[in-house]
Amino acid sequence: SYVLTQPPSVSVAPGETASITCGGENIGTKSVHWYQQKPGQAPVLLIYYDTDRPSGIPERFSASNSGNTATLTISRVEAGDEADYSCQVWDSNDYHAVFGGGTKLTVL
Amino acid sequence: QVHLQESGPGLVKSSETLSLTCSVSGGSISSYYWSWIRQSPGKGLEWIGFIHYTGSTNYNPSLKSRVTISIDTSKSQFSLRLTSVTAADTAVYYCASAPSGSGYYYFEYWGLGTLVTVSS
Repeated sequence: SYVLTQPPSVSVAPGETASITCGGENIGTKSVHWYQQKPGQAPVLLIYYDTDRPSGIPERFSASNSGNTATLTISRVEAGDEADYSCQVWDSNDYHAVFGGGTKLTVL
Repeated sequence: QVHLQESGPGLVKSSETLSLTCSVSGGSISSYYWSWIRQSPGKGLEWIGFIHYTGSTNYNPSLKSRVTISIDTSKSQFSLRLTSVTAADTAVYYCASAPSGSGYYYFEYWGLGTLVTVSS
């Protein structure tokens, strides 16, 4: 079964850039999606198909995917960005969705 | 904009069956795969499975033996049944919609989630 690995936590100062990684074997050959989840709330789709943003998602949120690592980048971090971020792929071998364990972003 | 709302018992006894329903509004039932996803306390998201309006289903291999997802297109609802529950099934259960067509499914709209606690 396909496994996605994320760091448990990332910390960043306001105004700086945060990078959250999602590791998986040859993940660059898959389409990666990212979600933001604030405490007590449902996840919100941030990025789909590696780099696309749904309407309403600020341009500060961007992502890339290559090799064995996908990366979510949050520029000019704000206090309101403090949340859990999860990556997700579709495992076409077993035909099911796989989520990473999530990364808690702390804004210092 | 699709709106999803979960409903069902918040407490289920161990070894019994968990049943939840998701009501859909604001979108075409035929445009999405309708999914169930759960999140155990303090843990990450776990995909349970999804159903197409045609009735075609796919389940997480780790739960497949205990899961049934069904759909009632006339009511714009889909449902989850999880049998023989244990404390490990205590979680917030979300329904979500995945746009159909690409084969690289992602979850565009989510319900607010409902906490289901399994008691002994």
